[in-house]
Amino acid sequence: DSGVTQTPKHLITATGQRVTLRCSPRSGDLSVYWYQQSLDQGLQFLIQYYNGEERAKGNILERFSAQQFPDLHSELNLSSLELGDSALYFCASSVAPNEQFFGPGTRLTVL
Amino acid sequence: AQSVTQLDSQVPVFEEAPVELRCNYSSSVSVYLFWYVQYPNQGLQLLLKYLSGSTLVKGINGFEAEFNKSQTSFHLRKPSVHISDTAEYFCAVNQIKAAGNKLTFGGGTRVLVKP
Repeated sequence: DSGVTQTPKHLITATGQRVTLRCSPRSGDLSVYWYQQSLDQGLQFLIQYYNGEERAKGNILERFSAQQFPDLHSELNLSSLELGDSALYFCASSVAPNEQFFGPGTRLTVL
Repeated sequence: AQSVTQLDSQVPVFEEAPVELRCNYSSSVSVYLFWYVQYPNQGLQLLLKYLSGSTLVKGINGFEAEFNKSQTSFHLRKPSVHISDTAEYFCAVNQIKAAGNKLTFGGGTRVLVKP
């Protein structure tokens, strides 16, 4: 158990819908990262927040957005969902830049 | 920009045999290097990391890796594998810079340990 929690574990929805994925970092970790794992793209970095502020951005679609709240939990919002958004979404947290601890992931299926 | 190449997508190996998973990276600046393991239907777990110092790094579960700066490689080895080592292994790099600490992952190597 990494100490990073993600909810829900599974999410099944339809095209065009909007979903919210939630992540609670390890106690004391100020940084939260979101990654997408799909069969065709592999593991890709989406976005990083540090203590409530966006710190780095990867190949995140404009339909996707994230935020980190004062209690340091983070949410990833995915809207106008397409079939190709089906993937495993991981959250990770860190206190230092040299190690990230990953949550168990949320498996999103878009039908 | 940085990139990571894992040269083998699948590696079948017999139980108690040694295994080596190859990883090469490209980066214009110095990097930290990591190996993660993903067991079926689970998240990623850190096996080991290279930050600085000795180029031979020992990790959990008997794994070790060697950093070779001239060849920009970070190959992972285990002298004797177990059935429980069946999993997917990811090499990752993180550029050493002040802002942003994104990990760039390789495509993964699926290890199948056969009895």
